[in-house]
Amino acid sequence: AQSVTQLDSQVPVFEEAPVELRCNYSSSVSVYLFWYVQYPNQGLQLLLKYLSGSTLVKGINGFEAEFNKSQTSFHLRKPSVHISDTAEYFCAVIKTSGSRLTFGEGTQLTVNP
Amino acid sequence: GAGVSQSPSNKVTEKGKDVELRCDPISGHTALYWYRQRLGQGLEFLIYFQGNSAPDKSGLPSDRFSAERTGESVSTLTIQRTQQEDSAVYLCASSFTQGPLTGELFFGEGSRLTVL
Repeated sequence: AQSVTQLDSQVPVFEEAPVELRCNYSSSVSVYLFWYVQYPNQGLQLLLKYLSGSTLVKGINGFEAEFNKSQTSFHLRKPSVHISDTAEYFCAVIKTSGSRLTFGEGTQLTVNP
Repeated sequence: GAGVSQSPSNKVTEKGKDVELRCDPISGHTALYWYRQRLGQGLEFLIYFQGNSAPDKSGLPSDRFSAERTGESVSTLTIQRTQQEDSAVYLCASSFTQGPLTGELFFGEGSRLTVL
């Protein structure tokens, strides 16, 4: 079975600073990788996904993530954050032949002025 | 509607009562998922529907939990004899299931259940 570890439960940063949210996964088979974001009092929404091809994927709101197969990582980055990026971010994985998405425990990103 | 709709948005119940949570997926989405999110924790998979059948219900925590889906549309999650540990936000999501689209889930805003 696959699993996901998000290494930081809370990440506080100042506005306009860069941020990296870390995600490692474990799987014996090929997977697809996702980042979801949950803004306060809203449902989760897809931020970006890696299916195949270029290992650097770009998502909404200026976020990007890099798939590193050798390190089994899929870290999320943004070069300059805004207060509005304050949210919980979830990394998720699914087997390429599977139907169940497995989520990490989430990282609360708090952007301070 | 355009998105996944869940009701009720909030439910407070007494221990031992039964509750029903409803999910209306996006029209045309054949896959439907239920997840549970306890306070400060990640999403815990409960059950997956493909059409009206449930090929994976391995995440249901006990036989007090059941779910059904009808008309390849609405789904109901039922919790019988609720316990305090059932308190959580119950999230429903739907998706297409063809190839790489699998995993791109569209979530509702959740039903927050509080068991007193």
